[in-house]
Amino acid sequence: DSGVTQTPKHLITATGQRVTLRCSPRSGDLSVYWYQQSLDQGLQFLIQYYNGEERAKGNILERFSAQQFPDLHSELNLSSLELGDSALYFCASSVAPRGGGNTIYFGEGSWLTVV
Amino acid sequence: AQRVTQPEKLLSVFKGAPVELKCNYSYSGSPELFWYVQYSRQRLQLLLRHISRESIKGFTADLNKGETSFHLKKPFAQEEDSAMYYCALSGRSGAGSYQLTFGKGTKLSVIP
Repeated sequence: DSGVTQTPKHLITATGQRVTLRCSPRSGDLSVYWYQQSLDQGLQFLIQYYNGEERAKGNILERFSAQQFPDLHSELNLSSLELGDSALYFCASSVAPRGGGNTIYFGEGSWLTVV
Repeated sequence: AQRVTQPEKLLSVFKGAPVELKCNYSYSGSPELFWYVQYSRQRLQLLLRHISRESIKGFTADLNKGETSFHLKKPFAQEEDSAMYYCALSGRSGAGSYQLTFGKGTKLSVIP
């Protein structure tokens, strides 16, 4: 168990809908990352937050947004869903956003299926 | 820009044979490199990182800055090693933040 908790584990929704994925980082970790894993694109970095502020942005679509709350949990909002958004969404956390041996730990992921 | 390349999508070896999973990177600064393992679409688990110079489950990896490589090796493959392996690089992405960039992964299949 990595200590990173993600809910829901599985989600099936229709095209055009909106969903929210939730992540609780490891105790003491201030930085949260979101990744999308699909069969054809592999692991894609979406966005990173540190202590409530956005720190880095990757290949995140405009239909997607995220935030980190004061209690450090994070939510990833996916709207106007398309079939191609079906993927495994991982949340990860680390103590700090910097390098220097900073290890990132992953949650179990949320399986999103858009039908 | 930082990039991680894993040239093999699939690697099949017989049990007891040596394994080498290749990873090459592109980064202008001093990189931090990691190997993660994923069993059957479960969560990614950190296998090892170059700064620790440790051996986990018999796997080792050496950073070769001259060849910009961080290949993962194991002298004798076991069936339980069958999994997806990702090489990752942590580098500065700007504004003082770091980004973990993954390669596309190599699926290791150990044949009994």
